[in-house]
Amino acid sequence: DIVMTQSPDSLAVSLGERATINCKSSQSVLYSSNNRNYLAWYQQKPGQPPKLLISWASTRESGVPDRFSGSGSGTDFTLTISSLQAEDVAVYYCQQYYSTPLGFTFGQGTKLAIK
Amino acid sequence: QVQLVESGGGLVQPGGSLRLSCAASGFTLSGFGMHWVRQAPGKGLEWVASIYYDGTKEYYRDSVKGRFTISRDISMNTLSLQMNSLRGDDTAIYYCAKDGIYHGSGSFFSSWGQGTLVTVSS
Repeated sequence: DIVMTQSPDSLAVSLGERATINCKSSQSVLYSSNNRNYLAWYQQKPGQPPKLLISWASTRESGVPDRFSGSGSGTDFTLTISSLQAEDVAVYYCQQYYSTPLGFTFGQGTKLAIK
Repeated sequence: QVQLVESGGGLVQPGGSLRLSCAASGFTLSGFGMHWVRQAPGKGLEWVASIYYDGTKEYYRDSVKGRFTISRDISMNTLSLQMNSLRGDDTAIYYCAKDGIYHGSGSFFSSWGQGTLVTVSS
């Protein structure tokens, strides 16, 4: 199984400042035939289901504010919130779908709070 | 727009059974793979099972193989999860989720339901 490890486990950032969350996979999730990284990011606010933010490591979903961006390739990925807003308080998860359809794995989550 | 509504959760004794349903609207199940993902209280997300867009293949995490069965009813546009031989570590909110790619083999989860809570306890 591909293991996804996020860092840090929790993070406190001031309003308007940059927040950076890292995700590392135990093996590459870059599919060489199409040069795409099979990596997604989700946001989960308290009491709500997860919401897809980014797919293919860097493709933002429709309606997601452009302060959210994804980067990285192979085994190392980053979710960046360029200017933190109060409504961004949530737990963020990365997920690999490289091993589809035999299994999907999530990172343990990173809890983002306001400093 | 896409909507997923789960039902069927509740309190069940260890060894018991439960059947979850997920009513889909805004799209047809025959076009997209579907998934069940669970979240134990205060914990992270864990993929449980998937079914291909054409219903021909099913996949499960090891810990539920032989106990859980994913299925769908195209006429009702409804996804199901039959859970047998339930254990305490199956206690979780169960979410159904729509795959992100039309006629894909499984990818990211583009839409999620609100979830239904399953509690396994005596």
